[in-house]
Amino acid sequence: AQSVTQLGSHVSVSEGALVLLRCNYSSSVPPYLFWYVQYPNQGLQLLLKYTSAATLVKGINGFEAEFKKSETSFHLTKPSAHMSDAAEYFCAVSDQGGGADGLTFGKGTHLIIQP
Amino acid sequence: DGGITQSPKYLFRKEGQNVTLSCEQNLNHDAMYWYRQDPGQGLRLIYYSQIVNDFQKGDIAEGYSVSREKKESFPLTVTSAQKNPTAFYLCASSRGKGETQYFGPGTRLLVL
Repeated sequence: AQSVTQLGSHVSVSEGALVLLRCNYSSSVPPYLFWYVQYPNQGLQLLLKYTSAATLVKGINGFEAEFKKSETSFHLTKPSAHMSDAAEYFCAVSDQGGGADGLTFGKGTHLIIQP
Repeated sequence: DGGITQSPKYLFRKEGQNVTLSCEQNLNHDAMYWYRQDPGQGLRLIYYSQIVNDFQKGDIAEGYSVSREKKESFPLTVTSAQKNPTAFYLCASSRGKGETQYFGPGTRLLVL
């Protein structure tokens, strides 16, 4: 069974500082990995996706994530935080077209940006 | 514009009442999904459908029912058997298994 662990239910950074949101996964097969962002009372928006091509994936809004198989990690980073980045972030995992049919989500990390 | 619509935005349920949440997509996606979101719990899969007239239970299907009579539509009924229905419900669609899922804006269900 797949699982996703997001370390830290809340992360607070200063505006202009580095953003690092941690995600570790377990999967019995090579996974697809996703980061989604959710603003209050809205649906989820895809930030980026890893599909076994390049290990460093660039997404929207200046975010990127690096797939590290040896560490079973897919951490999300942004060099300089902006106030508009304040939101809930979810990491998710999926089998590559087989097995599970839905995405397995982590419990989310609430990103707080301090002015 | 292509996308996923959910209605209503807010829904109130009385004791013993069944309510239906609407989900429509015009992305021509084969697969559709329903998730429930509770604070601090992430998203949990209720039901999914990979093709018209077929659907499967997810992790928390008890107290819910679905239908998939048209490719574009995947309504979710919250039955009176669901004793704790208060949550944010999200519908999603994708081209198929393991593919990127695109989400609707959600419906918040509250119990009177």
